[in-house]
Amino acid sequence: GAGVSQSPSNKVTEKGKDVELRCDPISGHTALYWYRQRLGQGLEFLIYFQGNSAPDKSGLPSDRFSAERTGESVSTLTIQRTQQEDSAVYLCASSLAAGGWMDTQYFGPGTRLTVL
Amino acid sequence: DAKTTQPNSMESNEEEPVHLPCNHSTISGTDYIHWYRQLPSQGPEYVIHGLTSNVNNRMASLAIAEDRKSSTLILHRATLRDAAVYYCILRDKTGTYKYIFGTGTRLKVLA
Repeated sequence: GAGVSQSPSNKVTEKGKDVELRCDPISGHTALYWYRQRLGQGLEFLIYFQGNSAPDKSGLPSDRFSAERTGESVSTLTIQRTQQEDSAVYLCASSLAAGGWMDTQYFGPGTRLTVL
Repeated sequence: DAKTTQPNSMESNEEEPVHLPCNHSTISGTDYIHWYRQLPSQGPEYVIHGLTSNVNNRMASLAIAEDRKSSTLILHRATLRDAAVYYCILRDKTGTYKYIFGTGTRLKVLA
């Protein structure tokens, strides 16, 4: 079946602009995660959704970052007033549920964000 | 949060076995050990996971030390397509089960 998809694949924006990044998880996956990967680094956790609720937003770096999920499906990560340090690849992952053997996370290809 | 330590890089010849080590000395009794790999310009993909016993699947084998403070991912015959960054990950247990990624091991496979 279809995997996790993300759009756009690349986004170039000017400093100070807002951007929206979209994630379509695998159908039926109730858990959804956003991570950020700076160049040459590992992944940093940003936020986790169980259904449409976000019980863990601890990784969001500032109040310029927000995310929502609707219909227990699509999620949007919004970055307001982008800064150059926001430049990174933003990765989305989904899993059947959080916990136990079911929690294999399937990752999308990512959105590469470049802030000029 | 429990952390993992991996070598920054390793090299292997094609068709030879590769043993990728990971130390996780602060692992707790209920932490699963997950391995993912990330090919260039792609998102990470699941490789294998385990709790206490050694595990095998079509991609690799996972050998877990008896005290669980270390583990080794084994690729039985490396191919050029196995060149990737390999991440050994413990899962946060506070209820969100997010993955805590380290910097991983960059595997280079020589033809």
